[in-house]
Parts: sequence; C-alpha cells; structure tokens
Amino acid sequence: KQEVTQIPAALSVPEGENLVLNCSFTDSAIYNLQWFRQDPGKGLTSLLLIQSSQREQTSGRLNASLDKSSGRSTLYIAASQPGDSATYLCAVDLGGKLIFGQGTELSVKP
Amino acid sequence: DAGVIQSPRHEVTEMGQEVTLRCKPISGHDYLFWYRQTMMRGLELLIYFNNNVPIDDSGMPEDRFSAKMPNASFSTLKIQPSEPRDSAVYFCASTVDGLSYEQYFGPGTRLTVT
Repeated sequence: KQEVTQIPAALSVPEGENLVLNCSFTDSAIYNLQWFRQDPGKGLTSLLLIQSSQREQTSGRLNASLDKSSGRSTLYIAASQPGDSATYLCAVDLGGKLIFGQGTELSVKP
Repeated sequence: DAGVIQSPRHEVTEMGQEVTLRCKPISGHDYLFWYRQTMMRGLELLIYFNNNVPIDDSGMPEDRFSAKMPNASFSTLKIQPSEPRDSAVYFCASTVDGLSYEQYFGPGTRLTVT
C-alpha cells in the first residue's frame, strides 16, 4: 500500500530564507508526483508536476526534485516571502489516483 | 474559465438527513474526482469518473455514499443518511488526462453534521 509522508509537519522561517520541504513515498511505481499549496479554508492549487521520467521541475522561486528509486521528492523555495505562508502537500499519482501526504504547514515571518 | 465550481460552500445538517454536494468541472476535462479532507485522515480520494463513467469507487466509505455524473458538466455526491463522522471538507477536482496533467481543485464544501 502506497504511503506518503511529509517532514516536517510545520515550519517557521524568517522572510528571505531558502527552505526545503520533504516528501517520501513507499512505492516507486508512480506516474507522477505533484506539489500543491493550500491556503486556510481554500482549495488546493497545483504548483508543480514532475513526471516519473523527470528529475526536477522549476517555476519561479520553486524547484521540485524527484528521486523515484529512493522514494523521495523535495520542494525548494528560494527567498521565502510572507505570502508563501500556507500548507504544502505532495501527492503521488498511481494512474489517475492521487495519494496525498499530510502536508507541511509553512509560516514565513516578516 | 471559472475553474471547478462547487456548491454549496457550507452545509450544516442534522444527523439522518440527506446531503447532496454538487460539482461543475472545467469545460473539456474528461476526469472528475471527489475527495474528502479531515484532520485525522488528511485528503482521501473517494471516487473518480472518466467520461462520466465511474472508474474507481474503492474510497467510498460506505453504502451511505453515492456519486453520479449524468453529463460532462455536472456531478453529485450524496450522503444518505448523514452522520456526524461525515463532517469534513469535500473537494471536487478535474483534469484533462488522468495520468499526465495537473488536477484542478474546486474551493470545497465544508459539511457539518450535528
């Protein structure tokens, strides 16, 4: 059974810091891995999608990497801003079926 | 496009009542997903459709839950009868291709069963 774990559960950093969020999964037979952002009381916004054949994806200050063999993904946020404060979720795609981690709650202090 | 539309945004009902949640996917998207989010269990997939046909309903918790997609632009998730443990946020999502493309989520329906 596929399990997805995110560490840490919560993170507080001062504005301007670079930071890394971690995601691990138990079964490497995935189609892709997606990172989402969720603001309080809101739905999920897709940030990055990495296909199983890819190693990384970049969008602005965000960079996500994928190592299928070790069952790990990281989301790197450069020069963090207070507006980055949200919960970040990773999800592995088993072929149309997303399995989510519990998320990392990020707080960026001005 | 307006994105995925869900209604109602909030629903408060008494135990035993029937609850119907509604979703309009993004036009042109062939896949539609229903998720439930709770503090204890996080985000869980309940059921998903491809071209209006249910493909995987293994996440539907009990027979009290049912979902339909009568056409490409509308889906419902029904709970009958509702119980307090059904209280959660229910999300609908859609995508063009279930395997390779991002899923777009609606704002969710917050259900409270008293």
